[in-house]
Amino acid sequence: IAGITQAPTSQILAAGRRMTLRCTQDMRHNAMYWYRQDLGLGLRLIHYSNTAGTTGKGEVPDGYSVSRANTDDFPLTLASAVPSQTSVYFCASSDGDTDTQYFGPGTRLTVL
Amino acid sequence: GQNIDQPTEMTATEGAIVQINCTYQTSGFNGLFWYQQHAGEAPTFLSYNVLDGLEEKGRFSSFLSRSKGYSYLLLKELQMKDSASYLCAVRGPGYQKVTFGIGTKLQVIP
Repeated sequence: IAGITQAPTSQILAAGRRMTLRCTQDMRHNAMYWYRQDLGLGLRLIHYSNTAGTTGKGEVPDGYSVSRANTDDFPLTLASAVPSQTSVYFCASSDGDTDTQYFGPGTRLTVL
Repeated sequence: GQNIDQPTEMTATEGAIVQINCTYQTSGFNGLFWYQQHAGEAPTFLSYNVLDGLEEKGRFSSFLSRSKGYSYLLLKELQMKDSASYLCAVRGPGYQKVTFGIGTKLQVIP
């Protein structure tokens, strides 16, 4: 692994189902983030984690939860998906110097 | 909170120079980023400014004026592969909250 990986690449999900989007980084970055990107709205922060064991809410956290059991992994869970959660989801991590964020390839999620 | 404004779309000619502007209003400022995003791909880091002035990196330069809440990204010697969206992002308050603008979609034409 080099950088950040996300899985799955894309997913079609029925409303009401539970879904976990996976994110793994191998850069030993302390901070990790989840964004959603929608046309006309740009990237919006869902949740973030400054370091393993801590998480925080971003701009649009409702309907989503995260955990950070270790440095490398930062899964995002939709407990009961709704159509408004149809979006492209990006995971990112940042280093400690400039906090430049490095993004994963994204997961395209469609909730029907 | 943060408010970031940048033009929605721009068109420029291959070989030319283009300037993409970004203005922001912020309750706390700790730096400004520019990212490039090709259609269907993830954003990739271009530049970071925390002090006033111009930062040059190859064909790309970024300028910041904190007193004016203003930044621009300058792309020289445009190439077709520069067709992408360019995202302005402001960090703050704090050091890990980053707010992104909607992005400027640049089309480079022959």
